[in-house]
Amino acid sequence: DAGVIQSPRHEVTEMGQEVTLRCKPISGHDYLFWYRQTMMRGLELLIYFNNNVPIDDSGMPEDRFSAKMPNASFSTLKIQPSEPRDSAVYFCASSPNFTGNYGYTFGSGTRLTVV
Amino acid sequence: GDSVTQMEGPVTLSEEAFLTINCTYTATGYPSLFWYVQYPGEGLQLLLKATKADDKGSNKGFEATYRKETTSFHLEKGSVQVSDSAVYFCALSNTGNQFYFGTGTSLTVIP
Repeated sequence: DAGVIQSPRHEVTEMGQEVTLRCKPISGHDYLFWYRQTMMRGLELLIYFNNNVPIDDSGMPEDRFSAKMPNASFSTLKIQPSEPRDSAVYFCASSPNFTGNYGYTFGSGTRLTVV
Repeated sequence: GDSVTQMEGPVTLSEEAFLTINCTYTATGYPSLFWYVQYPGEGLQLLLKATKADDKGSNKGFEATYRKETTSFHLEKGSVQVSDSAVYFCALSNTGNQFYFGTGTSLTVIP
C-alpha cells in the first residue's frame, strides 16, 4: 500500500482565497483524521470520520473550515476564506480502528502558507 | 481528562550518547501508549507501542516500557546516531477516545 497520500505538498495562497487540501487514506481503514500542526499549538485534531461520516468536528477552528469525505478513498479539508493565521502543516491520518491499537498512519502533510 | 506530558526540548546529544525522553500520562482505565517520530518535512511515523502494563515496545534500537505504577512510558536508546535527529511524540489512546499527543521533543544528534 502506498500509505496515506496528501496533496498538494505545499500551498501558497493569498489571504481571502479558497484552499482545498486532499487526502487519500489507506484502503480498508475506517477512520480518517485531519490534524493541524503549528509551533505554537503543536498537533491539533480538527475533525475525524468513521466510514465516511463526520463524527467529531469540535476541533474545527471556525466556520471558515469544512471537511468532507464523499467516499472511502477521498477526503477534503477546505478553508474559505483563508487567513494568514491558518498557515500551518495539515496532516491527514487513517486507522483501521478508533482505539488506535494499530496506531495511526499519517500522510506527509500539506504545508499551507497564507500571505 | 486523558493527557500526555513529555519532557521539554530541544535535546542535543553527541553521536553514540544514551537517550532518554520522559513521558508521563494521565488516563482512566488501561490506555495504549505510543511513540511517534517525525523527521524533517515528513509526517509522523509510528515508532513503537505498548498496549498493557509492563509491556516493552521496541523498534530501531529504541525501547519504552509501559509502567502503570509510575504512569510513565519513557523512550530510551543506548547509542544515538545522527540519523535519529527528529521530533519525538508520546501519545495515548484510550478505549472510546481519540489519540492524545504530547507536545513533541526535538532531538538533534551531532557527530
